[in-house]
This record gives sequence, C-alpha cells and structure tokens, in this order.
Amino acid sequence: GDSVTQMEGPVTLSEEAFLTINCTYTATGYPSLFWYVQYPGEGLQLLLKATKADDKGSNKGFEATYRKETTSFHLEKGSVQVSDSAVYFCALSDQGFQKLVFGTGTRLLVSP
Amino acid sequence: EAQVTQNPRYLITVTGKKLTVTCSQNMNHEYMSWYRQDPGLGLRQIYYSMNVEVTDKGDVPEGYKVSRKEKRNFPLILESPSPNQTSLYFCASSAQGLSYEQYFGPGTRLTVT
Repeated sequence: GDSVTQMEGPVTLSEEAFLTINCTYTATGYPSLFWYVQYPGEGLQLLLKATKADDKGSNKGFEATYRKETTSFHLEKGSVQVSDSAVYFCALSDQGFQKLVFGTGTRLLVSP
Repeated sequence: EAQVTQNPRYLITVTGKKLTVTCSQNMNHEYMSWYRQDPGLGLRQIYYSMNVEVTDKGDVPEGYKVSRKEKRNFPLILESPSPNQTSLYFCASSAQGLSYEQYFGPGTRLTVT
C-alpha cells in the first residue's frame, strides 16, 4: 500500500539556521502531497500542499516541491525561528481509500 | 470561526466502560474522519465518512464504531474500551475530498486503565 517515510527527529537547530526535513513516498497513481504542522497541545494544521508533479507548495517561508522522479517532497525553510518548533508531518492522499497516509512525524526544536 | 470541536479533550476511563467522543464541524463539510496518533506510528485512520449515512472503515477500525446522522457531527464510539486504545484521537473534516485541506480538531487524549 501507499506509504510515507520521513526522517527521524528530533531535529535541533539554532535560530536562523537552514531547515530540511526529508520526506519520500510510495504510491500508486498520482497522490496529492501535504505537510502538516502540530504545535504543542494542538491539532494538525495544513502548512502547504502540492497536487501534481513539479508543483511547489509554500507558506510562512516554508517550501516543498513535488518530485515525481525521486518520489520526494522535502520541506525547507531558509531561516527558522523559535516559533517554528513543532512536529511536522508529511502526508499523501490515497484517493482509492479516501484517507491521508501520514509519516511518523519529525520534531523540530529551534533554540535562540 | 471555522472549526472542528471535540469533546472531551481528556478522558481517563476503565476497561469495558462504553464511551463516546464527540466531533462537530461548522463548515458544512461532506468528508469527516477519525485518526489516532501513537508514538512512532504517526496518524492512522480509524473510520471516515463521505456524507450523511455513509461511513467506511479505515486502517484500524477494530473496537470502534461511528455514525453520521447529521452532516456536522461524527461521534466516535468505543463500546468496550481496552488499554490498547489508549491514544490521542483527532477528528478531521474537509470540503469535498482529500485534495482539499483537512481541518483537524484539537484532539482527545484517552487513557484506558
């Protein structure tokens, strides 16, 4: 079945450092890809999405490009802030089974 | 304000005592879903509903029931909870399908002793 693999965390960075969180996927068909963010004590919020190959999703300084050839959707940000500390989930849409398939999540810790 | 609400937020119960976690959305969304979140496993879908009176199993439906009698509500029922159902539960909704943004509730932390 479809699956999502993300790098394990925690990822620990200093403020203003460059962030990459790797995400690769396995899917039949052409899924949409998402990054969700979970702040402490809260539910998940959509951070960005891409619905077809070569699309770039972006929001709040975060970016990710849908790479069909490498089945990847890596999350990047040029300069992280303390307020970016959260858990980040990569996900894909499985249209056949009407569900989101999530990775295991990557915790990001940003120190001042 | 557009939102998904869940109640209760925290619940501690004993094995075998039936419980219901409510979920309600005010966005007139057709699609609703329940997930459980466990360490190292990410989120896994329990049940979903494409519209009123239409529900179907997700990846981990055993031990759970749902109903969709009204568009806005999608309660999760545990008829006889067991300790392996101790988890963090999220309800989500979206407009028409999975390419649309899923709106998540704040979560319900359930402990079954």
